[in-house]
Amino acid sequence: DAGVIQSPRHEVTEMGQEVTLRCKPISGHNSLFWYRQTMMRGLELLIYFNNNVPIDDSGMPEDRFSAKMPNASFSTLKIQPSEPRDSAVYFCASSLRTSNTEAFFGQGTRLTVV
Amino acid sequence: AQSVSQHNHHVILSEAASLELGCNYSYGGTVNLFWYVQYPGQHLQLLLKYFSGDPLVKGIKGFEAEFIKSKFSFNLRKPSVQWSDTAEYFCAVNANTNAGKSTFGDGTTLTVKP
Repeated sequence: DAGVIQSPRHEVTEMGQEVTLRCKPISGHNSLFWYRQTMMRGLELLIYFNNNVPIDDSGMPEDRFSAKMPNASFSTLKIQPSEPRDSAVYFCASSLRTSNTEAFFGQGTRLTVV
Repeated sequence: AQSVSQHNHHVILSEAASLELGCNYSYGGTVNLFWYVQYPGQHLQLLLKYFSGDPLVKGIKGFEAEFIKSKFSFNLRKPSVQWSDTAEYFCAVNANTNAGKSTFGDGTTLTVKP
């Protein structure tokens, strides 16, 4: 398996533009997580899905952020409109929906909003 | 709600020194515990995990961790660090009742001087 695949790896955009980050989880995994990592706040859980259903989105910073999982093999995180403070590395992770298995992380998307 | 506390924000060691990184969690029920490592510019990867059995867990690259239930601790150790161990280390806990979702600590940055 190729692991969790995220695209793009790097994104530079202007303030106010819409940004869409994409994630393909490991086949067979039924939990998917979106994290944001910054120097100031560390690793933050934004939202997670079980069986394509959003379970907890309490970490989503504000209405400008939205996430979808239309099927078991694809998820998106959208920021509209983007702001400079959204600059961060966004990680997607997937796991089996059992408590004794680890999460497998993608390589991340480094977002820079100028 | 579960929480994870990593005592040291930044640790600096010389090569061959011994390492111990502290991790405490707060949750009264049964938990599964993980240590992840993030090398510079890379994604998080699993170092080791505990979910039952021998409380002393051995992971990759000579790392081990000991689960002490009475202290709610899961400290990471390595007898002799190498320069290549320079990375950020995250402790995470996953309660059995919260299948799939781990709570991460703030991370400890380890710098090993050659």
